[in-house]
Amino acid sequence: KAGVTQTPRYLIKTRGQQVTLSCSPISGHRSVSWYQQTPGQGLQFLFEYFSETQRNKGNFPGRFSGRQFSNSRSEMNVSTLELGDSALYLCASSLGTGGNEKLFFGSGTQLSVL
Amino acid sequence: AQKITQTQPGMFVQEKEAVTLDCTYDTSDQSYGLFWYKQPSSGEMIFLIYQGSYDEQNATEGRYSLNFQKARKSANLVISASQLGDSAMYFCAMMNRDDKIIFGKGTRLHILP
Repeated sequence: KAGVTQTPRYLIKTRGQQVTLSCSPISGHRSVSWYQQTPGQGLQFLFEYFSETQRNKGNFPGRFSGRQFSNSRSEMNVSTLELGDSALYLCASSLGTGGNEKLFFGSGTQLSVL
Repeated sequence: AQKITQTQPGMFVQEKEAVTLDCTYDTSDQSYGLFWYKQPSSGEMIFLIYQGSYDEQNATEGRYSLNFQKARKSANLVISASQLGDSAMYFCAMMNRDDKIIFGKGTRLHILP
């Protein structure tokens, strides 16, 4: 069974640009959540999608958005990039039935904003 | 407010020794779940072990066990017979009733040969 796949693995962008990251969950998983990891702030929850609907949201500005497709694949978009957006972006998938489910993570996309 | 605290930024342990990674949490919820994840240098977060707030017995998964002390709000990870491949970042995490998961800052574990 294939794991969670994130693409691309690395990205380099400049300030003001926008970026789209992709996440393919484990087959059968309907929930996809996104996290930002930085050395200073650690791992922070961005949002969670279930059945194409955003079900949970963290405390990030509106420049961070996402969506989920009917096949459960998810994309995350960051517009008007800032230097502080440089981070490892991790996505995780789960069945989505709730109740303290185990999350399966991808290897992440390392975003560098210059 | 919900919070996870890992007080050990880094640890050095001799191979084959047991190691305990500390985690304390703060929540007003009665129902919650506690997780430990391992993050090697590749970046992927690997699930290690889970403990539910109503579980009476400590969780165990192979060489990993979770020392759950509910009254003290503590969920320490114990790794028995450490191996070189255990060198990684370890994160304690909590999922609350809103199904949001929060992570601690992590502990970097170095296993020495």
